[in-house]
Amino acid sequence: ILNVEQSPQSLHVQEGDSTNFTCSFPSSNFYALHWYRWETAKSPEALFVMTLNGDEKKKGRISATLNTKEGYSYLYIKGSQPEDSATYLCAFRGGSEKLVFGKGTKLTVNP
Amino acid sequence: DAGVIQSPRHEVTEMGQEVTLRCKPISGHNSLFWYRQTMMRGLELLIYFNNNVPIDDSGMPEDRFSAKMPNASFSTLKIQPSEPRDSAVYFCANRRVMTGNTIYFGEGSWLTVV
Repeated sequence: ILNVEQSPQSLHVQEGDSTNFTCSFPSSNFYALHWYRWETAKSPEALFVMTLNGDEKKKGRISATLNTKEGYSYLYIKGSQPEDSATYLCAFRGGSEKLVFGKGTKLTVNP
Repeated sequence: DAGVIQSPRHEVTEMGQEVTLRCKPISGHNSLFWYRQTMMRGLELLIYFNNNVPIDDSGMPEDRFSAKMPNASFSTLKIQPSEPRDSAVYFCANRRVMTGNTIYFGEGSWLTVV
C-alpha cells in the first residue's frame, strides 16, 4: 500500500509570514509528484508537476522542491496572504496512472 | 474550454435510494478518474478509465458502487443502495495521456445521505 504523508495537518500563520510544508512519499518506483491547491467548493487546482530529482518549481510566491532519493517534497509560500488560505495536497504517481494523495495541509492565513 | 463538468453539484438523499453522479470530461482528455474526498481518508481513487475502458477499479468500496464510461464525453458513478457512510465529495478528473502529467478536476459532487 502506497503511503503519502503530509505535515503539518493544519497551519495558522499571520499575513506576511513565510511558511512551508512537507510531503513524503515512497522513494522507489517514482514517476511524478503533484501539488494541488484546494479551496472548499472549488476544483483542486494544479500547482506543480515535478518529475526530476532536484527539481525546483516556482509560481509567483509559491515554490516547491523535490528529492526523489529520500522521498520528500517541500512547498514554500513566501509572504503569505489571506487568499493563500486553502488545503494544499500532494500526490504521488508511481508506475501506473494512479495518483495517490496525501490528506493535505490546511493553511489559514490571518490578516 | 469548459473544464470538467460534474452534476449534480449537491445532492441530499435518503438512505437506500439510488444516486447517480455524472461527469463530462474535457474534450480530448482520454484518462478519466473518480475520486472520493472524506475528512477521515482524504482523496481516494475509486476507479479510472483509459479510452473509455475501466483499468483499475480496486478502489471501489463495494458492490453498491459502479461506474461506466459509455463514450469519451460522459461517465457516471452510481451508488445503489446509498448509505450514510457514502456521504462525501465525489470528484471526477481527467488527463490527456501522452501529452502531460497534469490532472484536471471538476468542482465535485457533494453527496449527503441521511
